Amino acid sequence: ELKVEQNPLFLSMQEGKNYTIYCNYSTTSDRLYWYRQDPGKSLESLFVLLSNGAVKQEGRLMASLDTKARLSTLHITAAVHDLSATYFCAVSFGNEKLTFGTGTRLTIIP
Amino acid sequence: GAGVSQSPRYKVAKRGQDVALRCDPISGHVSLFWYQQALGQGPEFLTYFQNEAQLDKSGLPSDRFFAERPEGSVSTLKIQRTQQEDSAVYLCASSLATGLTEAFFGQGTRLTVV
Repeated sequence: ELKVEQNPLFLSMQEGKNYTIYCNYSTTSDRLYWYRQDPGKSLESLFVLLSNGAVKQEGRLMASLDTKARLSTLHITAAVHDLSATYFCAVSFGNEKLTFGTGTRLTIIP
Repeated sequence: GAGVSQSPRYKVAKRGQDVALRCDPISGHVSLFWYQQALGQGPEFLTYFQNEAQLDKSGLPSDRFFAERPEGSVSTLKIQRTQQEDSAVYLCASSLATGLTEAFFGQGTRLTVV
């Protein structure tokens, strides 16, 4: 059974600081996704990572994938308030069914 | 519309009542998924359709849950004899095709069973 773990579950950080969210998964996966979810809203796709060593960046967010370690990271640079949200990683193998982590609730403090 | 549309957005049901949740995927999208998201948790897979064929229903928690997509477009998730533990947000997602294609999520239906 594919399991996905994220840490930390809760993260409170000051504006301007850097931090990293970690996502570990238990078995081989061929795709890893990062999503953002605002309260009461749906999931917004941030990144899709397909291969070992893949790195993608969008604004203050950068995601990377190490398939050998079964680890992905989401790095936040110089956080700003509007990045406050819950971030999920999700993995899939074979068909497109996604297995999600429990999420990291990020709060950026002014 | 441009995105995945779900209705109703909110549903309050009395325990034991049957409910039906609707999903309109993006036009032309072949694959359709239902997920259940309990409060404070990540979404959990329920079932998957490719066109009208239900290819995977391994995530449906009990035989009270039933999903259909009879014409390969709109899908309905039906829950019979609702229980309090069914309270959650039900998310629908669609993708253009099988393989390495991105899934787009609807805003969900928040079901509260009282």
